[in-house]
Amino acid sequence: QKEVEQNSGPLSVPEGAIASLNCTYSDRGSQSFFWYRQYSGKSPELIMFIYSNGDKEDGRFTAQLNKASQYVSLLIRDSQPSDSATYLCAVPYNTDKLIFGTGTRLQVFP
Amino acid sequence: DTAVSQTPKYLVTQMGNDKSIKCEQNLGHDTMYWYKQDSKKFLKIMFSYNNKELIINETVPNRFSPKSPDKAHLNLHINSLELGDSAVYFCASSQWAGMNTEAFFGQGTRLTVV
Repeated sequence: QKEVEQNSGPLSVPEGAIASLNCTYSDRGSQSFFWYRQYSGKSPELIMFIYSNGDKEDGRFTAQLNKASQYVSLLIRDSQPSDSATYLCAVPYNTDKLIFGTGTRLQVFP
Repeated sequence: DTAVSQTPKYLVTQMGNDKSIKCEQNLGHDTMYWYKQDSKKFLKIMFSYNNKELIINETVPNRFSPKSPDKAHLNLHINSLELGDSAVYFCASSQWAGMNTEAFFGQGTRLTVV
């Protein structure tokens, strides 16, 4: 099993819809979880992080964490074409390195 | 004011050559990293330095040699370049090791080996 797994997509959603991006991880000891967005040809940038079970909302973005199921997700409400990018889930391992998933490519069409 | 800057942004070179990529951060962070992103967009950690000391070496061929002259700089030297080294290399930094804090990435260096 890979340390951090994501569906590579592409995930296509119409403008205004909710995009749901999922990530599973293998280390039960992981304490924090990050979502990065990477536009084509650009570097990853942090958009959300979550430490506690449950939901964390920031504007149109909601991160959801379920440690028992080793599952973290990112919801994007009112998706816009400008949200089209690759979304990378990242989990620290052994407290000293950040492991990334393969990323999910999101396409929001008008 | 760029927080993490890498040079060069593009690098095209022939097999067998030796090349270097430079990275500097002005955030006052203690920890710096090198990541490699392949053509499938998989971002894989290569090295991690904390206060100039190597803390992670992820089974990278010894043709790759990082050097950290101070905690604001982490350079990557690659000897005897191979076709498979073609990728985008990202430098990143975080406030401390452990990565339980935001990592800031440089703009990347696209290395093409021909």
